[in-house]
Amino acid sequence: EDQVTQSPEALRLQEGESSSLNCSYTVSGLRGLFWYRQDPGKGPEFLFTLYSAGEEKEKERLKATLTKKESFLHITAPKPEDSATYLCAVYSTSGTYKYIFGTGTRLKVLA
Amino acid sequence: GAGVSQSPRYKVAKRGQDVALRCDPISGHVSLFWYQQALGQGPEFLTYFQNEAQLDKSGLPSDRFFAERPEGSVSTLKIQRTQQEDSAVYLCASSDKRIGELFFGEGSRLTVL
Repeated sequence: EDQVTQSPEALRLQEGESSSLNCSYTVSGLRGLFWYRQDPGKGPEFLFTLYSAGEEKEKERLKATLTKKESFLHITAPKPEDSATYLCAVYSTSGTYKYIFGTGTRLKVLA
Repeated sequence: GAGVSQSPRYKVAKRGQDVALRCDPISGHVSLFWYQQALGQGPEFLTYFQNEAQLDKSGLPSDRFFAERPEGSVSTLKIQRTQQEDSAVYLCASSDKRIGELFFGEGSRLTVL
């Protein structure tokens, strides 16, 4: 069965303190791995799609990378406005139509 | 519209009542998903539509849950005889691709008393 596990569950950083969030996945065949940001009371907002191992995507202070078993979301010199829950999702070749989400990492960046 | 619109944003129901949640996707988006998100958890898949066809309803928790998208645009998620465990945020998402970026609405928060 396809599974997505995110770690850590929660992370507190000082402003400017870089770190990485992890998304480990077990799928029958990966068609795409997606990162989303979710603010309290809002729906998830798309950040990146990664399709194959070795692929990297960047946007401002965020960089997503992908291997055959996991993805990392690297946050460089974070600011308080980066505080949010970051969700990882996979779409597999299992024959269903669903994106499977992890439980997310709650990031708090302190000024 | 500019984005995915969901209504109502908040719904309080007494146990045993029926509720209907509406999703208005981005115009022209073929794919439409419903997800359930409990507090502190990630979204859990409920059902998927491609145009008006419901291609996957494997995530619907029981036969009290029913979804439709009769004309391939607006979708309604109906929950009959609500139970306390149905309390959650119900998210709708649409996409113009089978595999790609999902555009989410802000969700409908259901509280069952």
